[in-house]
Amino acid sequence: GQQLNQSPQSMFIQEGEDVSMNCTSSSIFNTWLWYKQDPGEGPVLLIALYKAGELTSNGRLTAQFGITRKDSFLNISASIPSDVGIYFCAGQLRGGSNYKLTFGKGTLLTVNP
Amino acid sequence: DTGVSQNPRHKITKRGQNVTFRCDPISEHNRLYWYRQTLGQGPEFLTYFQNEAQLEKSRLLSDRFSAERPKGSFSTLEIQRTEQGDSAMYLCASSLGRERNTGELFFGEGSRLTVL
Repeated sequence: GQQLNQSPQSMFIQEGEDVSMNCTSSSIFNTWLWYKQDPGEGPVLLIALYKAGELTSNGRLTAQFGITRKDSFLNISASIPSDVGIYFCAGQLRGGSNYKLTFGKGTLLTVNP
Repeated sequence: DTGVSQNPRHKITKRGQNVTFRCDPISEHNRLYWYRQTLGQGPEFLTYFQNEAQLEKSRLLSDRFSAERPKGSFSTLEIQRTEQGDSAMYLCASSLGRERNTGELFFGEGSRLTVL
């Protein structure tokens, strides 16, 4: 099935560093979401973006909905060990009755204390 | 706990057996989704319900797969004559269904299937 292009695939950083990851698509979406998944668990919603150009924060996390509606990025500031996990972007094209999400392959984040 | 609940969390079965997974969505959510996730991949859409109606099925959902949501509340996903390629995490998600919130899918912890 269709997936988004998410980069980088993995990151190894030191505690306290800032992190940036992004997601691109060949298709337009009108909603972008970012999820975090821990091993053996389901994805947990971090941030939802509904408008092109929108910049939204959730604590140390900031995400932006690209102006072209084909991309989004997520920044994590001052990383801590519990930020470790896989971060997924997901795009949604609202309209009709199905609001299914298309996911990227994820960015694996490792934080060294 | 008022989140999405899935069971069993883990299922190991022999090839050819049938398995069934259950999902209890967040109570006021009328949309329910099933996704499949394999190692190193993001979740992939399988099927979607609005209340009790199954409105879309992915091409990934072969005829060995069937999903139901009989009363518009909990849902089941059955896989018949399992194959090793069915080994994956099966995720259920639900959402409110109101226009602004439809993007906010909330996932359960998943049911991991291993087919030997």
